[in-house]
Amino acid sequence: QKEVEQNSGPLSVPEGAIASLNCTYSDRGSQSFFWYRQYSGKSPELIMFIYSNGDKEDGRFTAQLNKASQYVSLLIRDSQPSDSATYLCAVNFMEYGNKLVFGAGTILRVKS
Amino acid sequence: DVKVTQSSRYLVKRTGEKVFLECVQDMDHENMFWYRQDPGLGLRLIYFSYDVKMKEKGDIPEGYSVSREKKERFSLILESASTNQTSMYLCASSFSGAGTGELFFGEGSRLTVL
Repeated sequence: QKEVEQNSGPLSVPEGAIASLNCTYSDRGSQSFFWYRQYSGKSPELIMFIYSNGDKEDGRFTAQLNKASQYVSLLIRDSQPSDSATYLCAVNFMEYGNKLVFGAGTILRVKS
Repeated sequence: DVKVTQSSRYLVKRTGEKVFLECVQDMDHENMFWYRQDPGLGLRLIYFSYDVKMKEKGDIPEGYSVSREKKERFSLILESASTNQTSMYLCASSFSGAGTGELFFGEGSRLTVL
């Protein structure tokens, strides 16, 4: 089992809809969770991080963490064509110190 | 503005050549990382460094070495390039202290080995 798993997609949603991106992770004393967005041909950039169980909201983005079920999700409300990108889930596992483990990413396509 | 600069955006090398990929950050970050990114496999960690002259193997260190002689510079070396090392290479840095743990990435170096 991979340590961080994501559905590769592509996930297609119409403009204005809610896009839901999911990520599951193995139990290795994980402590912090990150969502990176990567546009085609560009490098990843951090859009959200979450440490505690529950929801964290930032504008149109909401990160949700459920440590008991070992999943973290990213919701994008009012999706725009400019949100079309690959979304990478990353987990900082306690036993790995400062090293992030990345999932393979989910391709999101927002159609206008 | 935060900056991680990779020396070459595109390289084409021949099998057996020695390849140097250089990365410089201007944020005084302690941690620096080299990843490679391949379709369907995501980002895989090759090597990382917590401090000058310190290095640790990541998940796929075979065929690679690194050098960190100065805090701001982290170099990835392919001693004898092979075709299976054709990939996008991403350098990143992060702060060690309290904070988000955010990685700042360079623009990437796309290496093709013929």
